[in-house]
Amino acid sequence: DFVMTQSPLSLSVTPGEPASISCRSSQSLLHRTGNNYLEWYLQKPGQSPQLLIYFASNRASGVPDRFSGSGSGTDFTLKISRMEAEDVGVYYCTQVLQSPPTFGQGTKVEIK
Amino acid sequence: EVQLLESGGGLVEPGGSLRLSCAASGFTFSSSAMNWIRQAPGKGLEWVAASSVRDSTTFYADSVRGRFTISRDNSKNTLYLQMNSLRAEDTALYYCVKGWYGDYGSVYWGQGTLVTVSS
Repeated sequence: DFVMTQSPLSLSVTPGEPASISCRSSQSLLHRTGNNYLEWYLQKPGQSPQLLIYFASNRASGVPDRFSGSGSGTDFTLKISRMEAEDVGVYYCTQVLQSPPTFGQGTKVEIK
Repeated sequence: EVQLLESGGGLVEPGGSLRLSCAASGFTFSSSAMNWIRQAPGKGLEWVAASSVRDSTTFYADSVRGRFTISRDNSKNTLYLQMNSLRAEDTALYYCVKGWYGDYGSVYWGQGTLVTVSS
């Protein structure tokens, strides 16, 4: 199975400041189509996860443009350009190139 | 609007069985891959099983293969997870998830149903 490793595991961010989370896959997630099969989710407190980014850099419907994803192959990054209070929660990266889908450990993001 | 409503969770003794259901609406269920994902209390996310529509294939995590069975009734827009020989380590919130296996960019999660395995 693919192993997904996130860093840091926790982050405290001042409102209005940027934040960045890294995700590394044990194997390349680049498909022959040119898409990287890497997704980012946010699980807000008490809620189910919601899709933020798919194919490494595509924002899902309704996701604010302060969220952006980048990377290719085995190294990926999620960036929040300006932290807002509603962005607190646990962020997960997920590989969906091969079954089974596997998740990173999660990065807990709090407001400073 | 996509809606996924799980039910069937509860308290069961080790070795017991439960059947989870997920009622889907707001999309073409028969054309959508569906999954069960679980989250143990205070822990991360673990994929459990999937039902693909491309070739009617089912997939299972090693931890549940042979004990759990995923199935679907497209006439009722409902996904199921039959769980047998339950263990304490199966205790978790079980989410029904639409997407993956050829369906990307529109992944949706239900609110989950809690399964507790304890004597």
